[in-house]
Amino acid sequence: GAGVSQSPRYKVAKRGQDVALRCDPISGHVSLFWYQQALGQGPEFLTYFQNEAQLDKSGLPSDRFFAERPEGSVSTLKIQRTQQEDSAVYLCASSLAIRDQPQHFGDGTRLSIL
Amino acid sequence: GESVGLHLPTLSVQEGDNSIINCAYSNSASDYFIWYKQESGKGPQFIIDIRSNMDKRQGQRVTVLLNKTVKHLSLQIAATQPGDSAVYFCAENRSGGSYIPTFGRGTSLIVHP
Repeated sequence: GAGVSQSPRYKVAKRGQDVALRCDPISGHVSLFWYQQALGQGPEFLTYFQNEAQLDKSGLPSDRFFAERPEGSVSTLKIQRTQQEDSAVYLCASSLAIRDQPQHFGDGTRLSIL
Repeated sequence: GESVGLHLPTLSVQEGDNSIINCAYSNSASDYFIWYKQESGKGPQFIIDIRSNMDKRQGQRVTVLLNKTVKHLSLQIAATQPGDSAVYFCAENRSGGSYIPTFGRGTSLIVHP
């Protein structure tokens, strides 16, 4: 389909392992956002890209979290030395413009750290 | 009726009734608001948006009302259907250059057939 695609849908890792989560935004969408969603909560902002530029990473909880979008389309969120508190659903969203446009979300990656 | 659960406020309605989901936003400078619907295991889905220069906007079976005086947003769903059962989030975009939407707590809507 033409929506935002995230992979994998589920990821189980042992504490201390590194993980990489992928997001394929809608073609032509300039803006790309990563969110973390805990059970029963709304999405919490992690980081934002405009094309390939990471303009805001103020929501990343620690320096173990790293995101990139090298060619302005596909984005990867990497978590190094995972901890149990990293367990959550990680959502990616894209939109046409920088602001005041609805975001289109993927179905997320559910990350479980054992 | 509406109740506050341990994690999410919950609204239970009968199929065919009208539903009203409320949201209090935090910043009087916010100028763009969005309602999302999130079904279990899926990402949030855009329903309707409204800008601060409006106080009402209608879509298909949904209406959003904005009261800037009391910083309140509501989503009205007409003739609620079982397929409307989901968690509903409001999000606000703040003016002045901030492009990061802030999501509210969410309300769980349960529609009984």
